[in-house]
Order: sequence, then C-alpha cells, then structure tokens
Amino acid sequence: SQQGEEDPQALSIQEGENATMNCSYKTSINNLQWYRQNSGRGLVHLILIRSNEREKHSGRLRVTLDTSKKSSSLLITASRAADTASYFCATDYNDYKLSFGAGTTVTVRA
Amino acid sequence: DAGVTQSPTHLIKTRGQQVTLRCSPISGHKSVSWYQQVLGQGPQFIFQYYEKEERGRGNFPDRFSARQFPNYSSELNVNALLLGDSALYLCAATPGQGGTDTQYFGPGTRLTVL
Repeated sequence: SQQGEEDPQALSIQEGENATMNCSYKTSINNLQWYRQNSGRGLVHLILIRSNEREKHSGRLRVTLDTSKKSSSLLITASRAADTASYFCATDYNDYKLSFGAGTTVTVRA
Repeated sequence: DAGVTQSPTHLIKTRGQQVTLRCSPISGHKSVSWYQQVLGQGPQFIFQYYEKEERGRGNFPDRFSARQFPNYSSELNVNALLLGDSALYLCAATPGQGGTDTQYFGPGTRLTVL
C-alpha cells in the first residue's frame, strides 16, 4: 500500500493561474519530497522538505508541511503549458524506501 | 555530467521469459534504487543497493532480483514474467550513502509482457 495520497487526482487550469495539490500520509516521516513526471518518463525532483520545516520555496513552487495533520501541499504559481505533468509526493517509509502516492495529473490550458 | 541512464528504452517479452534491465548512475552516486510504475499509479519501491550490498527490498516476489557492480551500475532481473509485470521500470541514483534523500531518476525502461 502507498504511504502518501495526492488530492485531487486531476486538475485542469488556465495558463497563468495557480495550481494547488495536496498530499496526505499515514506515518511519521523524516522528509517529504515532490516529483514531476512528464508523459510517463522519468521523474524529476522538485523539492524536499524536512520534518522540522514548515514551508519551502523554489522558483514558482511553494511547499508546505504540516506534520500534525500529516499533510503537505504543493503550489505552482503562474502556471505555464510546460507545467503540464503528473506530480507525486514521496515520503520516507524507512531508511531506504521512498513511498509514492498515485499522483495528481495537472493540465495547463493555453 | 550525464544523468542516470537506463537500457533498453523499450522491451517486449512473452509470459514465462526472463528479462534484464540495466542502469548506470550519475558519476559519484553510489546508491541505486529500482522502482516499478504500473500505468496510472505511482512508483513502487523494489530494491536499493549501496556499495554492491542490498540495503532494502520492497514487497516483490523472489522472481525479482538485482545486483550492483563495482562501477555502481546495476541490473534488475525478472524471471518467469507475468502479464502483471508490464510496467515502466525506473532506476534512481542517490549521492552519499543512499537512503531517502533526493533521488535522480533515469528515463525508465518500458516493459510489455504479452
């Protein structure tokens, strides 16, 4: 079973709008990561947030982490067509295993 | 530096056959992990290797095996293929001693079992 679950499963937005997706997980973690995947190809690491951090920024990305609620959110601001992809959260299940959710598919319309 | 490379890109096999997938990590990255991604789902952890030793194994049958070579490249072997083994197989490299920090993924090998 997967540790994390993303919500929503799919998201369609207009270019220039913001996209927000959420991740919930079940057990305590050391870190949580977000990855992007284009068209069934390899995953690209976006951002890692550690359990003692609450918010992190990277370019147009903003990630928050609420360990009390066991949840995280990824915000993409001013979306572009190139942001069309599937986004996955991953939590460290133990010392060596990353557990991925089923992902959120984001479509950015021109 | 080149990224993580995987070969082959695509592969078609029939049930019962055996397959070997290959991965070359980024130079200096000594830890390699393998994931299986079935269509519509997130990647599922199969193995992690560090310095040629298996560090961990996911919930996969013994038909799945792997090894890591002195140059840190890795092979994933799957025996007695089933239709359900059809998936994208991803290799990821991690700097340092591996673990669960940032993973650098290869483009994957798409395996189709007929």
